[in-house]
Amino acid sequence: DAGVIQSPRHEVTEMGQEVTLRCKPISGHNSLFWYRQTMMRGLELLIYFNNNVPIDDSGMPEDRFSAKMPNASFSTLKIQPSEPRDSAVYFCASSLYKGYEQYFGPGTRLTVT
Amino acid sequence: AQKVTQAQTEISVVEKEDVTLDCVYETRDTTYYLFWYKQPPSGELVFLIRRNSFDEQNEISGRYSWNFQKSTSSFNFTITASQVVDSAVYFCALSARFTNAGGTSYGKLTFGQGTILTVHP
Repeated sequence: DAGVIQSPRHEVTEMGQEVTLRCKPISGHNSLFWYRQTMMRGLELLIYFNNNVPIDDSGMPEDRFSAKMPNASFSTLKIQPSEPRDSAVYFCASSLYKGYEQYFGPGTRLTVT
Repeated sequence: AQKVTQAQTEISVVEKEDVTLDCVYETRDTTYYLFWYKQPPSGELVFLIRRNSFDEQNEISGRYSWNFQKSTSSFNFTITASQVVDSAVYFCALSARFTNAGGTSYGKLTFGQGTILTVHP
């Protein structure tokens, strides 16, 4: 079975541009998570969805960040406008049930210049 | 609030040595889940094990073993006869009850800062 799919794998953009990261969770999983990983702050949960509904977005840094899950097989994380401090690896993960193990995608390495 | 502490920032061993990675957690909940993840140099995060708070039985999987002790709030990970391929960052994580306006859930993972393990040939 395919794992969590993320695209793009790498994104380089200029400050002020809009960035959209995409995620396809494992089929049948009903929870989806977006994380950000940096050297300074480690792994941070940005937002998570359960059955396509956002449950906790307290980790979203600011209004420049938004996430959607229009259906069970697709989610986006958008940054508008992007800033250099947004440079990080963004991971998407999914789990079959809340509290169960999360399976991570390969990540998107975002560089904002 | 939940917290996970991995006090060992970096560990360096020579191949075939045994190594233990420490994890200490904090939570007020009686029901929670503990996890270990591996992040090799390629960057992906690989799930290794999940333990729930009611199951203190230790687990062994090949060269990997985990020791869960509620009395000391620890969930330590031992690699026996380490190999170069074990070189990675290892994360311990906790999932405990989380309540907000939307209700109660166990989905939120709190990660430790990770332990960098380097196994030299």
